Amino acid sequence: GAVVSQHPSRVICKSGTSVKIECRSLDFQATTMFWYRQFPKKSLMLMATSNEGSKATYEQGVEKDKFLINHASLTLSTLTVTSAHPEDSSFYICSLRTGPETQYFGPGTRLLVL
Amino acid sequence: SQKIEQNSEALNIQEGKTATLTCNYTNYSPAYLQWYRQDPGRGPVFLLLIRENEKEKRKERLKVTFDTTLKQSLFHITASQPADSATYLCALEGGAGANNLFFGTGTRLTVIP
Repeated sequence: GAVVSQHPSRVICKSGTSVKIECRSLDFQATTMFWYRQFPKKSLMLMATSNEGSKATYEQGVEKDKFLINHASLTLSTLTVTSAHPEDSSFYICSLRTGPETQYFGPGTRLLVL
Repeated sequence: SQKIEQNSEALNIQEGKTATLTCNYTNYSPAYLQWYRQDPGRGPVFLLLIRENEKEKRKERLKVTFDTTLKQSLFHITASQPADSATYLCALEGGAGANNLFFGTGTRLTVIP
């Protein structure tokens, strides 16, 4: 299966700052990656679909100006949480598909906004 | 509205017993259903996929059933071990041609030695 890495694994920042999270596909060229968010004891919720070389597709209720996604290459997608606030504290997970039915997830990034 | 419900938030069982987890869904017509394992602070790991025309799928100590009439999937772990302790998530496709997965809230399984 595909190997997906995320960096950083955890980040603490002050309210109002921006945080960039990287998602890398180590052994697969992914034209599409997905960004999920998971609050404690809640399920994963899809935030957006990241498309290489074009604009991301955001799910309803997710602010595209707040969660900036850049998919500049087939192996890297970044999620930037702009002007982060405490309510943005969550576990952010990226994933990619290697086929129509197979999806691999990264290890996640824990964001804590103080 | 669409819902994916997993029977209980937490399940404790004795080592060696069979754990059975339930996933019920409403207002979906998935072509297939998937089960994932998630350990604390980690991303989900794919376990099994079962298609709508399949009644049962097995992989080592894991067994999944899929009843599209009841809109339910059962996930069994036989001869459970403490290492099986984790949260288990079921997931469905968003719909025909959809690219994304919708997840249940998960069941946190604890296998007691």
